[in-house]
Amino acid sequence: EAGVTQSPTHLIKTRGQQATLRCSPISGHTSVYWYQQALGLGLQFLLWYDEGEERNRGNFPPRFSGRQFPNYSSELNVNALELEDSALYLCASSLSGRDEQFFGPGTRLTVL
Amino acid sequence: DQQVKQNSPSLSVQEGRISILNCDYTNSMFDYFLWYKKYPAEGPTFLISISSIKDKNEDGRFTVFLNKSAKHLSLHIVPSQPGDSAVYFCAASDNYGQNFVFGPGTRLSVLP
Repeated sequence: EAGVTQSPTHLIKTRGQQATLRCSPISGHTSVYWYQQALGLGLQFLLWYDEGEERNRGNFPPRFSGRQFPNYSSELNVNALELEDSALYLCASSLSGRDEQFFGPGTRLTVL
Repeated sequence: DQQVKQNSPSLSVQEGRISILNCDYTNSMFDYFLWYKKYPAEGPTFLISISSIKDKNEDGRFTVFLNKSAKHLSLHIVPSQPGDSAVYFCAASDNYGQNFVFGPGTRLSVLP
């Protein structure tokens, strides 16, 4: 069974641009989570989607947004990129909001 | 304000000995706790969980202890193996995953 997949693996953008990151959950999982792991920091919760709806968001500005599609895949959009947005962005999926999360390999975003 | 704390950024243990990783939390509404392990260049993988109705959960070499009154949990790995060398994240949630919070992680090095 395929795990959580994320694309692209690496993404290089310049300040002010927009980045789009994609995630496909494990088949049957309806919950998708997005996390940011900046250098030297732990996982910072960004967004949680379940059944196509945004259920919760972390303490991030509105330029971090996303959506979940009918097939439960998800997209994270970061607008007006800033240098400090450079980080590893991890997507995770779970059967429901209380189950353990299965993580993808991440997308490393570099903002120059 | 960190709701989930892992005060030891790193820990070194000799192979075969016990590794004890600690985690403290401040939010008394947290009632479900998980430990994840993360190798470099990979997403975190789920290790073990415990709900607040229990004070111990065991899975092979891994045991998690929960002390609700002290708002403290610990992960014991016995015996430690070199392959256990990774970053370990403690995570906590309340209700229906409305507030899923990760600690900053502890880097465990198991020395042969």
